[in-house]
Amino acid sequence: GAVVSQHPSWVICKSGTSVKIECRSLDFQATTMFWYRQFPKQSLMLMATSNEGSKATYEQGVEKDKFLINHASLTLSTLTVTSAHPEDSSFYICSASPGALGDQPQHFGDGTRLSIL
Amino acid sequence: AQTVTQSQPEMSVQEAETVTLSCTYDTSENNYYLFWYKQPPSRQMILVIRQEAYKQQNATENRFSVNFQKAAKSFSLKISDSQLGDTAMYFCAFMKDDNYQLIWGAGTKLIIKP
Repeated sequence: GAVVSQHPSWVICKSGTSVKIECRSLDFQATTMFWYRQFPKQSLMLMATSNEGSKATYEQGVEKDKFLINHASLTLSTLTVTSAHPEDSSFYICSASPGALGDQPQHFGDGTRLSIL
Repeated sequence: AQTVTQSQPEMSVQEAETVTLSCTYDTSENNYYLFWYKQPPSRQMILVIRQEAYKQQNATENRFSVNFQKAAKSFSLKISDSQLGDTAMYFCAFMKDDNYQLIWGAGTKLIIKP
C-alpha cells in the first residue's frame, strides 16, 4: 500500500527557533499534499494544500509567513514553523494524494508532535 | 460549503457489544464519497471504510458496516462484536467527486470496556 513517511515524529525546541517537518511519499508520486494541525481531542484542521512546483494554498486564518510550505518534488513536502512559540505546540499531520482515488484519497503520515518550550 | 457533523463526542460500550456512531453531512453535490477513519492513541489515521454516494449498497468491511441514507444525508458506522483494539477516535469525512480534499467531522471518542 501507499506509504507516507513523516519526520521527525517528536520535536522539542526552544521558543524562537524554526522547525522543519518533512513529508515524503515513499512509493508513489504525490500531486497534492495536505498539512493538518490537530489540537488534543479535536479533529484535523486543514492548514494548507500544496501542489508540486506551485505555491501552497493556505486556509483562512493560517499565517503563511509563520508556516512555510515547500513542495519541491512529487515525493517531498516540508512545513517549516518559523520563530516558533509555545502556542505553536501541537500535533501536525501531513497527507499525500497520488491524484487518483485508489482505496483512499489521502495517505497519512504518522504525525509530528511539536513542543515549544 | 460542505459540513460534516458528528453529534456524539464520546461513547463507551462493553467488549463484544455492537455500537453505532452517527454522522450527518450537508452538501448540494450529487456525486461524492464518505469515509470513516480511526485514530487510535498512536494517532495514526487509519481508513476504516468508504462509501461512494452513487452506490446504493451499504459498504461493509468485516465487523464494520455503514448505514448510508443519501436522502437523509446520514452515514452511520456500526461496529459489531467490538474489541478492545477498537478504542480510538473515529472521524467521519466527506470528499467531493472532483478533488481529494477531505471535510472532517469533529470526531467521536469510542471506548471499549473489558
